[in-house]
Formats: sequence, C-alpha cells, structure tokens
Amino acid sequence: GQQLNQSPQSMFIQEGEDVSMNCTSSSIFNTWLWYKQDPGEGPVLLIALYKAGELTSNGRLTAQFGITRKDSFLNISASIPSDVGIYFCAGQDKIKAAGNKLTFGGGTRVLVKP
Amino acid sequence: DTGVSQNPRHKITKRGQNVTFRCDPISEHNRLYWYRQTLGQGPEFLTYFQNEAQLEKSRLLSDRFSAERPKGSFSTLEIQRTEQGDSAMYLCASSPSGGDQETQYFGPGTRLLVL
Repeated sequence: GQQLNQSPQSMFIQEGEDVSMNCTSSSIFNTWLWYKQDPGEGPVLLIALYKAGELTSNGRLTAQFGITRKDSFLNISASIPSDVGIYFCAGQDKIKAAGNKLTFGGGTRVLVKP
Repeated sequence: DTGVSQNPRHKITKRGQNVTFRCDPISEHNRLYWYRQTLGQGPEFLTYFQNEAQLEKSRLLSDRFSAERPKGSFSTLEIQRTEQGDSAMYLCASSPSGGDQETQYFGPGTRLLVL
C-alpha cells in the first residue's frame, strides 16, 4: 500500500484564497515532487524538490522539502478557478538499489466553494 | 508536442480478452515507467525500464501482465485474460537517467474498462 499520508483529502477554495496541503511519510525520500491531475488526464509536474530544507516557487505555487526528509508542503497563493483539480505528492528514494519509482500520496481534491 | 504519448486513450473490453497499450516516451529519455491508478487513489508503480532492460517489477504485476521495451524507445504493456479488477487508468512516465535530479513526466494515460 501507499506510504505517504496526504492532507487534507479535500478542500473547498474561494477565488483569491491561499491554499495549503501537506504530505508526510514514514520513511525518508531523497526527492519530493508535486503533481496536479485533471479528470481523465495524467499528472502534470508542478514542483520538484531535491534537497532537505529546500523551498521552491513556481508562480503562485510554493513547496518545501522538510528537514527530516519525511514531509513536504505545497502552498497555492491567491487561488483561481483553474486551480481546481487533484494534487498529488510523490516521494522518490534513490538509496535503495532500484528506488527510482515514485510513491504517491492519496491526493488532495481542490474544489470550488458553492 | 514532444511529451509522453499513450495509445489508446480509452479501451473497453470484455472479461477474458487480451489488451495491449503503447507508450512513447520523451525522445531523449532512457527511463520508462508504468503505473496504475484506480479511482480515488494515487498512481501505483508497476514496472520500470532502463533502455530495453526491465529493472524492477511490482508485486502488483501479476503473471497476466507483461511489459516490453524492445528497442529502448516505445514500450507496450499487455494484460492477458483481463479481469474486472484490472479496470483502471494505466499511466506511463519517462525520465532522463543520471544525475541527482531525475524527474518523471507522465503521459495522458490509457483508461481501461473491463466489462
């Protein structure tokens, strides 16, 4: 089963609000990645983090690689309607012999407030 | 567009039939991955190729599943004697090898429905 716990599982946003989500793991990862997936499509890479403590921005998105290498968060500032979708965190472990695979969290579903 | 492409995008089949999916990675990427994603879940790793060599297979990849990458370029994933539990989105990703910053880029997926 999946090793990454992603929270919240879902959230409602109103245009202009800031949004935060995070991911925790029971094991260490050397790389953290954040993807967004729209219905019926594949995940699209948003941000990649390669060093513990690293803070990286991509437009309105900011993500950090936790110091312990067991967690990461993603912030979206001033949300807009097209931010709706499912956000996945993924960890990659290169210590193990064949550790190039990604382990994904369960996703955070971002929905628009009615 | 030079991203990862997958064909077909959708496949409906009857239980017991065989199906084959194709993935064309980004041209300079020599690593290729297959993942499976069921509804409401994140993708789960199935198998991984470095050039034409299949280097890792998940326990999810039962004997009915086989993947190939004969010339180190495109890859195929075949499911024999499909079961209803095989219904899922099958995602392919590719990445360049070497270096510390290996990032996987995903294709649009093939959605399989087994009736």
